[in-house]
Amino acid sequence: ETGVTQSPTHLIKTRGQQVTLRCSSQSGHNTVSWYQQALGQGPQFIFQYYREEENGRGNFPPRFSGLQFPNYSSELNVNALELDDSALYLCASSEQNTGELFFGEGSRLTVL
Amino acid sequence: DQQVKQNSPSLSVQEGRISILNCDYTNSMFDYFLWYKKYPAEGPTFLISISSIKDKNEDGRFTVFLNKSAKHLSLHIVPSQPGDSAVYFCAASGRIDYKLSFGAGTTVTVRA
Repeated sequence: ETGVTQSPTHLIKTRGQQVTLRCSSQSGHNTVSWYQQALGQGPQFIFQYYREEENGRGNFPPRFSGLQFPNYSSELNVNALELDDSALYLCASSEQNTGELFFGEGSRLTVL
Repeated sequence: DQQVKQNSPSLSVQEGRISILNCDYTNSMFDYFLWYKKYPAEGPTFLISISSIKDKNEDGRFTVFLNKSAKHLSLHIVPSQPGDSAVYFCAASGRIDYKLSFGAGTTVTVRA
């Protein structure tokens, strides 16, 4: 059974640039959630995708967008990067309507 | 608006003793609660959960207690082992909405 994998693991961008983060969900899971974890804080919910549709969104601006593909993998896109976007971005997969999320190792984004 | 709070950023305990981690929440719509454990450079991993219809759930060395009237839950680890040294996150969600709200985490250090 393959777990949740994310890429890239680390990346550095400059303010105003755009970034795409990728996530492969665990086998058998049809729901993907994205979280942002700033330094010293807990993960903050960005949005969730179920069967390629957005299924809920946290308090993040529209420049945070996502996609889910037919194989349930997912992308997180952030446009017009700001310094405060520097964080660990965590992807988690699950079966629908279960609270037990399986997290990847995260993508560490640094915005300069 | 932090709906889940872990007021102790760190906890140090001797091997073999009990570790008690506390968590408070403000949203009365929460009725599903989880604890996640995170090692450095890894994603959070699910530890134990409890639904609001229970006040206790046990899994091996880990027990979670829920006090709905006080909006408080706690995680007990008995006995504590060196491998338990990690960051522990408390998380909560509503019954239908499985988007988790996380606390800021408590770093547990188990001393030999």
